[in-house]
Amino acid sequence: TQLLEQSPQFLSIQEGENLTVYCNSSSVFSSLQWYRQEPGEGPVLLVTVVTGGEVKKLKRLTFQFGDARKDSSLHITAAQPGDTGLYLCAGETSGSRLTFGEGTQLTVNP
Amino acid sequence: EPEVTQTPSHQVTQMGQEVILRCVPISNHLYFYWYRQILGQKVEFLVSFYNNEISEKSEIFDDQFSVERPDGSNFTLKIRSTKLEDSAMYFCASSPRLGATEAFFGQGTRLTVV
Repeated sequence: TQLLEQSPQFLSIQEGENLTVYCNSSSVFSSLQWYRQEPGEGPVLLVTVVTGGEVKKLKRLTFQFGDARKDSSLHITAAQPGDTGLYLCAGETSGSRLTFGEGTQLTVNP
Repeated sequence: EPEVTQTPSHQVTQMGQEVILRCVPISNHLYFYWYRQILGQKVEFLVSFYNNEISEKSEIFDDQFSVERPDGSNFTLKIRSTKLEDSAMYFCASSPRLGATEAFFGQGTRLTVV
């Protein structure tokens, strides 16, 4: 069974601070996706990374895929209260299956 | 913007009853999925579907589960005889190409088995 471990599980910070969320596995993934999920709703796709070492930016969010395609990170610069939510990483383990991490619950306090 | 839609948003059913969860994937997508999320747990893969047949299924997807694409737009998940432990959020997803990259999820159906 391929597992994805996310850390930290919970993160509470003040508005304006920077943060990094990590997603690690012992398995190699053909791609990795980051989602954001609000309570009672479905995951919303933020980004897909495919190439080892790839870095993608989405406004204040920076996503990186590890060189070995086993890990990834999400860095948020100058966090805002609107960034509050559950951030999920999910690795593509076969042609059609995503394996999700447990998620990082981020709270940004004004 | 195109989106995956699911109905109903909430379903309450008695143990042993059959339920059908419905999904309308994004119209030009070819690959469809069902995932579930038990309260407080992570999202788990159930099944993928392409070209009118199951591509892959997990160990959770036992004989009580089935999927169908009855027409050109709907994609359904049927649970034949629900158990208490089937209570969860069920998410439908679709993607435009082979592989789970860029899977777009619906809002989910909350299934409560009593």
